[in-house]
Amino acid sequence: EAQVTQNPRYLITVTGKKLTVTCSQNMNHEYMSWYRQDPGLGLRQIYYSMNVEVTDKGDVPEGYKVSRKEKRNFPLILESPSPNQTSLYFCASSSFVSSTDTQYFGPGTRLTVL
Amino acid sequence: DAKTTQPTSMDCAEGRAANLPCNHSTISGNEYVYWYRQIHSQGPQYIIHGLKNNETNEMASLIITEDRKSSTLILPHATLRDTAVYYCIVSPRPNSGGYQKVTFGTGTKLQVIP
Repeated sequence: EAQVTQNPRYLITVTGKKLTVTCSQNMNHEYMSWYRQDPGLGLRQIYYSMNVEVTDKGDVPEGYKVSRKEKRNFPLILESPSPNQTSLYFCASSSFVSSTDTQYFGPGTRLTVL
Repeated sequence: DAKTTQPTSMDCAEGRAANLPCNHSTISGNEYVYWYRQIHSQGPQYIIHGLKNNETNEMASLIITEDRKSSTLILPHATLRDTAVYYCIVSPRPNSGGYQKVTFGTGTKLQVIP
C-alpha cells in the first residue's frame, strides 16, 4: 500500500531536549516536505526536499533542521525544542514523473513541548 | 502569503450540492488549481486539480472561470462524511519548475448538516 508514515504519532517533551520526527514514503517520490499546522494559521511549510541531498527552507524554517540522505526518508530535527513549536506536524511526498500530481500526506505527529 | 482566498466557513444540507469558492486572482499561467480536504486532524487528502478546463472525478467537480481568477469546487451530493476543511491551492505541476514551495491557506470549514 502506498503510504507516508510518521513516527512518533504523539510526543510530549520538555524544552531543550533534542528530538527527531521520522518520515518515510514507499512510493519512490522525489519530493518531500514538512508542514506544521496551528489553529487559525492553516498548514505552513517548514522545509522541502526536491531529491536526495537537496533541501530548502519553506515559510517557517526557524528552529528546525532536515536531512535527505535517502530517497525514502526525510526526518525533521528539533535541536532545542521550545513551547512555540508545540504543533501538529505533517510530512508529505509527491512524484515529479507520475501523472497523478497529488501530494500524499502522512497521518501527522502531535508534538507538545513543555 | 497564501495565493488564494476562501471563505472561512460554510454550511450545506446533507444531500444537497456543496459549492466551495476560491479566489486566486494572481494565478500564473503555469499554475494549476488544486483542492485538498482535511477531515478532523488527519493528513490532507487530494481531491482534484485543473488548469483551465472544468474537471470531474469520482469525488467532485472543479469549475474554473475563463480568466482563471477564481474557481469552485462542487460536491454534488454532500454527506456527513464530507464535513472537513477544504483547501484551495495554486501551484505548478510537480514535474515543472517552481513547484518547490507549496502554500496552503486556512481553507474553508464545511459543515454538512443533517
